Amino acid sequence: GAGVSQTPSNKVTEKGKYVELRCDPISGHTALYWYRQSLGQGPEFLIYFQGTGAADDSGLPNDRFFAVRPEGSVSTLKIQRTERGDSAVYLCASSSPGQGGEQFFGPGTRLTVL
Amino acid sequence: AQSVTQPDIHITVSEGASLELRCNYSYGATPYLFWYVQSPGQGLQLLLKYFSGDTLVQGIKGFEAEFKRSQSSFNLRKPSVHWSDAAEYFCAVGPYMEYGNKLVFGAGTILRVKS
Repeated sequence: GAGVSQTPSNKVTEKGKYVELRCDPISGHTALYWYRQSLGQGPEFLIYFQGTGAADDSGLPNDRFFAVRPEGSVSTLKIQRTERGDSAVYLCASSSPGQGGEQFFGPGTRLTVL
Repeated sequence: AQSVTQPDIHITVSEGASLELRCNYSYGATPYLFWYVQSPGQGLQLLLKYFSGDTLVQGIKGFEAEFKRSQSSFNLRKPSVHWSDAAEYFCAVGPYMEYGNKLVFGAGTILRVKS
């Protein structure tokens, strides 16, 4: 079956612009996660959705970052007034009960802020 | 604070040689431990996970890992490396939950395989 997909695969933007990154989880997966992976680092947790609600957004670095999942499936990560330090690969993962906590990751969106 | 340390940034091994990637963690409760592999342009793929039971856990692609509570370690091993194993490997720790695990990852170890 289809895995987690993320669009776009690459995004280049200018400092100060607004960007949206999209994640399509595995069909039927109720949990969705966003992580950020900076160069030379492991992924860092940003936010976790259970259904439509953000169950844990403790990893969002500041109020320029926001994520939604209005229908409990597709999620969008939104970044306002982008800064060069936001450049990273943004990873999305999904999971479902009964799979021992395994998170299935998408290929990521590489964001470059010039 | 929860943390994962992967002491080796890069490792190079010859094809057919054995491999051990090190992982040390700091976690305040019983850890749920994972090893993921990331190939260029691909998402993270789970190799294996451990929460309880036999401390030697088998994973996919011939990998295994051993949990040592006394050393706070969860090292990944493979008896004979194949060229296709070249990738970046991440160790992660989190709470034992069916979902909602906020995983903490190490910085990764890049594996090069020479023929």
